[in-house]
Amino acid sequence: GQNIDQPTEMTATEGAIVQINCTYQTSGFNGLFWYQQHAGEAPTFLSYNVLDGLEEKGRFSSFLSRSKGYSYLLLKELQMKDSASYLCASRGQAGTALIFGKGTTLSVSS
Amino acid sequence: GAVVSQHPSWVICKSGTSVKIECRSLDFQATTMFWYRQFPKQSLMLMATSNEGSKATYEQGVEKDKFLINHASLTLSTLTVTSAHPEDSSFYICSARDPGGLKTYEQYFGPGTRLTVT
Repeated sequence: GQNIDQPTEMTATEGAIVQINCTYQTSGFNGLFWYQQHAGEAPTFLSYNVLDGLEEKGRFSSFLSRSKGYSYLLLKELQMKDSASYLCASRGQAGTALIFGKGTTLSVSS
Repeated sequence: GAVVSQHPSWVICKSGTSVKIECRSLDFQATTMFWYRQFPKQSLMLMATSNEGSKATYEQGVEKDKFLINHASLTLSTLTVTSAHPEDSSFYICSARDPGGLKTYEQYFGPGTRLTVT
């Protein structure tokens, strides 16, 4: 089976940096994903890691350590619009569905 | 990029009736589609994997006779909630991968269908 843990809630202020951690346990590993979801909307893709290391994409970066079963999403220069739920998801086997963690609700205040 | 659509975007039905939700891949062919359900303030829970031309694979705890899935073509999968009850009220989201695209790893999500059973 698969188990994914991430914090339930986080708060931060505009302009700050926030790191959302995720630990996972999967039978097989075919990638670690981060999605952003605003209330009432479908998730939108943020990042994908399949090899160890840091992937940077603008204000968002994602890190993966397969040996530790650990990933984080780093958000820089936070903006109010970044207030959303951030979902960590893993894929165990190629071609199978993503399994999601419970999500981290991030609140950005001014 | 790959686009997945769902119809309807929201639906209200009476308890005991059935509701069909359509999921379409608009610009790619999807041999496999995934159906998720999301209750308020919770994450996405995988319900089933829909395979074109064959039976769907349901996750543990999901009643296959209640949630009927049909994947009759490479661009359309349908989820029918039979004999709906208020506890079936949820946000239903479908998803698919584009096996022929540049980002075969990415799973594209439809906009979701909000079902309310009264």
